[in-house]
Amino acid sequence: EPEVTQTPSHQVTQMGQEVILRCVPISNHLYFYWYRQILGQKVEFLVSFYNNEISEKSEIFDDQFSVERPDGSNFTLKIRSTKLEDSAMYFCASSSGTPGDETQYFGPGTRLLVL
Amino acid sequence: KQEVTQIPAALSVPEGENLVLNCSFTDSAIYNLQWFRQDPGKGLTSLLLIQSSQREQTSGRLNASLDKSSGRSTLYIAASQPGDSATYLCAVPREGGSEKLVFGKGTKLTVNP
Repeated sequence: EPEVTQTPSHQVTQMGQEVILRCVPISNHLYFYWYRQILGQKVEFLVSFYNNEISEKSEIFDDQFSVERPDGSNFTLKIRSTKLEDSAMYFCASSSGTPGDETQYFGPGTRLLVL
Repeated sequence: KQEVTQIPAALSVPEGENLVLNCSFTDSAIYNLQWFRQDPGKGLTSLLLIQSSQREQTSGRLNASLDKSSGRSTLYIAASQPGDSATYLCAVPREGGSEKLVFGKGTKLTVNP
């Protein structure tokens, strides 16, 4: 069964450094998302991406963050100048865009630790 | 602003018991609701998506119901097994046409052998 994959599974970085989190969505899906979950808290939406542009973003998704689909398979989240509070599990998700099936399929996550 | 609440926060049951997990949401103008399972330190596995036009959706031992007007959904798990132990999350779109999912904090289920 097709699944969303994410790399790396864990990343440790120093405060102020840039990180890039990578995702390969399900191949025929058209919508892509990033969510994050700070330890012990709810899963929070960051951004959605469709047709090579951001379709929706949350107030969390400020100028520190950017997303890109550099080729036909990868979807990346870049965090510039990381802060301690960026430590969280970051989930990528994708959905087909088929009317009547808005199921979002999530990847296994990247655990980011900012020291 | 859409908010999602799940009760109880934790539930412990003996193996074989039938159980119900509850989810409530504040803005009933949703077009679907999705239930997920999350194992410790892992990603989210989609269990069921129920459209606003449906009242129920079934997958194996799982049955989700949706009462949009009252802002509630339940996830019924029949004949629970230790492998069902996980945190169960419900999520709804922020508003009618939004792709953004708003999550509850989840119910942590433990099924004891």
